[in-house]
Amino acid sequence: TQLLEQSPQFLSIQEGENLTVYCNSSSVFSSLQWYRQEPGEGPVLLVTVVTGGEVKKLKRLTFQFGDARKDSSLHITAAQPGDTGLYLCAGEEANAGGTSYGKLTFGQGTILTVHP
Amino acid sequence: NAGVTQTPKFQVLKTGQSMTLQCAQDMNHNSMYWYRQDPGMGLRLIYYSASEGTTDKGEVPNGYNVSRLNKREFSLRLESAAPSQTSVYFCAGQRSLYMNTEAFFGQGTRLTVV
Repeated sequence: TQLLEQSPQFLSIQEGENLTVYCNSSSVFSSLQWYRQEPGEGPVLLVTVVTGGEVKKLKRLTFQFGDARKDSSLHITAAQPGDTGLYLCAGEEANAGGTSYGKLTFGQGTILTVHP
Repeated sequence: NAGVTQTPKFQVLKTGQSMTLQCAQDMNHNSMYWYRQDPGMGLRLIYYSASEGTTDKGEVPNGYNVSRLNKREFSLRLESAAPSQTSVYFCAGQRSLYMNTEAFFGQGTRLTVV
């Protein structure tokens, strides 16, 4: 079973600050997703990164996939109270031939609180 | 378009009782998954069904059984509930498009076993 270490586990910041959440593994993933979860709801997909070194932007959120496809980061610029929630990364396993197993391994999550 | 629908949303069981968590998806996904979410542990895979008629164990299958009734429905059964099964359970439909799997989750079932 591949493991994903997500850090930090908790993040409490003021509105307007920048932050970065990290997702690291010793294993290679064929793709990596970031999800956001609000209290009482299921996780909602934010983005999928597939290519090593890939950078994707979603308004104030920037997602990066490491060159070796073992790690990823989520950077939020000028955080707002509406960004508060649980952020989860999830990596997709792949076999030696590169075929997807279709199984996701989730990190432990980062609870982000943005204070007005 | 409801996506993934789970029932019930809340449940309290006594130790030893049984129950079935229901999940239905209208997104035409071949693959469906059951996860449990506990504080500080992210989402852990209980069982999954890669296609209609097949099921496989995930990371934490003990104490659970599943049924893939048809393409739309995937149920999770607790035969004899234990306090350690107190958790939030999520069903997900997943689509895979060449090395790219994305999950779509239901709203969850919050289960307490006393």
